Amino acid sequence: AQKITQTQPGMFVQEKEAVTLDCTYDTSDPSYGLFWYKQPSSGEMIFLIYQGSYDQQNATEGRYSLNFQKARKSANLVISASQLGDSAMYFCAMRVIQGAQKLVFGQGTRLTINP
Amino acid sequence: SQTIHQWPATLVQPVGSPLSLECTVEGTSNPNLYWYRQAAGRGLQLLFYSVGIGQISSEVPQNLSASRPQDRQFILSSKKLLLSDSGFYLCAWTVRRLAGVRGETQYFGPGTRLLVL
Repeated sequence: AQKITQTQPGMFVQEKEAVTLDCTYDTSDPSYGLFWYKQPSSGEMIFLIYQGSYDQQNATEGRYSLNFQKARKSANLVISASQLGDSAMYFCAMRVIQGAQKLVFGQGTRLTINP
Repeated sequence: SQTIHQWPATLVQPVGSPLSLECTVEGTSNPNLYWYRQAAGRGLQLLFYSVGIGQISSEVPQNLSASRPQDRQFILSSKKLLLSDSGFYLCAWTVRRLAGVRGETQYFGPGTRLLVL
């Protein structure tokens, strides 16, 4: 069965430092997609970054990058130069079925940026 | 550009009352549509998804149902709410028929907070 594991319930980081949020996944499907979403206190889910299983390069989007290690089945999110506005819940997710594009989510990591 | 709307934003309902949450998407056609529920402090659980009008797939047995009467409208319903139905309900959509990030990314609406008393 497909599963996403986020082992860090909470992270505390000083402003301007880089932070890595861990995500491991489990699937037997050779074709899959991995996503990171940010959920601020307002509740909306904001798409941050995507990595396809066949992508050769690690995905990057501005201050966000995805450290994709396929053999280890990990897809960690790296936020460089953290800002106070980065404080939020962060969810890792995986697409499990092509066509219907269903997502399986991890339990999330609450990131707090301290000034 | 595409936008997704959900209403109401918040809802307080007594146990045993009916429920109807609505989700509409603008700026796209023939999307896949999804309903998720999020309990407090938890991840998202997929409830239903739809790949077309009248086509509904249920992921979790429960007293909720979903319908898709129009291409860009997705409705979550219940005949009798339970206390355990309380939570944050999120609707999402994807563009189909595209490979890669554009075809796979789900975009979420603002959500509905439901409290059943």
